[in-house]
Amino acid sequence: ETGVTQTPRHLVMGMTNKKSLKCEQHLGHNAMYWYKQSAKKPLELMFVYSLEERVENNSVPSRFSPECPNSSHLFLHLHTLQPEDSALYLCASSQDFGREGFGQPQHFGDGTRLSIL
Amino acid sequence: GENVEQHPSTLSVQEGDSAVIKCTYSDSASNYFPWYKQELGKGPQLIIDIRSNVGEKKDQRIAVTLNKTAKHFSLHITETQPEDSAVYFCAASGYNQGGKLIFGQGTELSVKP
Repeated sequence: ETGVTQTPRHLVMGMTNKKSLKCEQHLGHNAMYWYKQSAKKPLELMFVYSLEERVENNSVPSRFSPECPNSSHLFLHLHTLQPEDSALYLCASSQDFGREGFGQPQHFGDGTRLSIL
Repeated sequence: GENVEQHPSTLSVQEGDSAVIKCTYSDSASNYFPWYKQELGKGPQLIIDIRSNVGEKKDQRIAVTLNKTAKHFSLHITETQPEDSAVYFCAASGYNQGGKLIFGQGTELSVKP
């Protein structure tokens, strides 16, 4: 059990569709993250939320829209995606973010495999 | 910003042998270095981590060493087993990264029975 649950596990969508990815953490953490993992590339940080406030947005296109209604839930809303957006999208959480400049362990979910037709 | 280089990209060993994966980082202020294991169809799982105030940490068959002067850290797996086959990622973080983890490119480890 990872403590971080992502749904759906697989998603196939057309470029004109709108869909949402969901992440839920059961660890009592205060920070949550979205990463994109493409083949042969390092994990790319997309967004960071700390105490439900977005603190990081790594130049992600506006067709990706995050939402954090509370510290346990994180969503990634998708619309008019491009074929190059096909990837594994990973959610992670950590106790805090950036506290006193010390990195902290992040706990990952198993991801949503997204395919854009 | 921080840059993490990981080598090798693929590693094949015989069951029972040792495996070593090495990462170098660029920011001397980095102070936290975790290692993750990602099995097929799963998310990365933290297997061991080390902070900059220690040089080595062990947990059963796995160990991590840190050389702050040379700015590199390594993952050592002894007595490898087929279930160790996975992709391993190193990462670095610290004050200048504001708590973000900067990941290496990953190493695909294959343990042959």
